[in-house]
Amino acid sequence: EIVLTQSPTTMAASPGEKVTITCRASSSVSYIYWYQQKSDASPKLWIYETSKLASGVPDRFSGSGSGTSYSFTISSMDTEDAATYYCHQWNSSPWTFGGGTKLELK
Amino acid sequence: EVQLVASGGGLVQPGRSLKVSCAASGFTFSDYVMAWVRQAPKKGLEWVAAISYDGSGTYYRDSVKGRFTISRDNAKNTLYLQMDSLRSEDTAIYYCARPTTGFDYWGQGVMVTVSS
Repeated sequence: EIVLTQSPTTMAASPGEKVTITCRASSSVSYIYWYQQKSDASPKLWIYETSKLASGVPDRFSGSGSGTSYSFTISSMDTEDAATYYCHQWNSSPWTFGGGTKLELK
Repeated sequence: EVQLVASGGGLVQPGRSLKVSCAASGFTFSDYVMAWVRQAPKKGLEWVAAISYDGSGTYYRDSVKGRFTISRDNAKNTLYLQMDSLRSEDTAIYYCARPTTGFDYWGQGVMVTVSS
């Protein structure tokens, strides 16, 4: 099983601040996917195939990485970005998710 | 508009069974692999099972293999998850989701609580 380790697990950012979340895989994967989940809501696909923004996602979001190391960046934190973000791989079964990063507004 | 509407959650005693359903609309259901993903209270996401577009292939995480059965009825555009021999650790919100490039659509989730 490929284990995805996200860091940090929680963080707070002020409006306008740059945010970076990392996702490390225990084995190499071809792509990482990122989801946004707000309280009491279903997750939403946010970034697919490592760096492609899902429909409707603002371009202040970006993703990068390869192999076992990936990152998720918000260039300028907005109030609406407060949420939990999960990375995900489906390179091999079982499909796995990272433990999540809770991003709060400072 | 793609919609996935789950139903059938509830409170069930350990060792008993429960079947949850997911009604799909807004896309050609029979063209897509479908899956269930769960989230235990205050915890992260965990993939549970997936089924091929025609139902001929099913895939499970080890912890539910032999206890859960994923199925689909393409004539009814409905996905199912039959859960037998339920354990307290199966307590979670169960989401149906459509895996294409990642899970691009998610249902609203149904709560399954396993408790005596």
